[in-house]
Amino acid sequence: QKEVEQDPGPLSVPEGAIVSLNCTYSNSAFQYFMWYRQYSRKGPELLMYTYSSGNKEDGRFTAQVDKSSKYISLFIRDSQPSDSATYLCAMKGDTGRRALTFGSGTRLQVQP
Amino acid sequence: GAVVSQHPSWVICKSGTSVKIECRSLDFQATTMFWYRQFPKQSLMLMATSNEGSKATYEQGVEKDKFLINHASLTLSTLTVTSAHPEDSSFYICSARERTGLQETQYFGPGTRLLVL
Repeated sequence: QKEVEQDPGPLSVPEGAIVSLNCTYSNSAFQYFMWYRQYSRKGPELLMYTYSSGNKEDGRFTAQVDKSSKYISLFIRDSQPSDSATYLCAMKGDTGRRALTFGSGTRLQVQP
Repeated sequence: GAVVSQHPSWVICKSGTSVKIECRSLDFQATTMFWYRQFPKQSLMLMATSNEGSKATYEQGVEKDKFLINHASLTLSTLTVTSAHPEDSSFYICSARERTGLQETQYFGPGTRLLVL
């Protein structure tokens, strides 16, 4: 079993829809949670950062962390065709391994 | 957000040659940088952790003599693919770790596409 599980998709939605992307994880030591967006042939771009549990909102994006369930989510409101990309969740603990542990990525397609 | 650059953005080389890729943190200092490779439609695969002023830490299965990493300053890490072969063709991406108080995150470079003929 992978440490971080993420549905690879593809997820296809119409423009204007609310998108929900999710990851589950098994390591209870994870404290830092991030969402990256990666366009084809580009490096990942940091979208959202959350430390420990809770919600964070930035424009059309909302990140949620539920540590009791080991479940994180990214919501995209009023989705746009330009949101079409692969979304990667990533996480790490306070101590030990410094590298991030990534999900496999979910490919999102927003249809105009 | 913080900016990380990579150079070159793409490179084509003949089999047997060596290729150097640079990763720079432009507006912050990074004692730790990471090197990844990514195959089409797959997630990032961590190759090694680059530590400023000390040896890199390689992931299991990654040949350290094949992929030489140097982190000579707080803003620059280099990855050299030695004696490159066609199977080394891939998308190589670096990231730099920024620490601000309790917050710690990684910013990625735009990637380098390597094609070995």
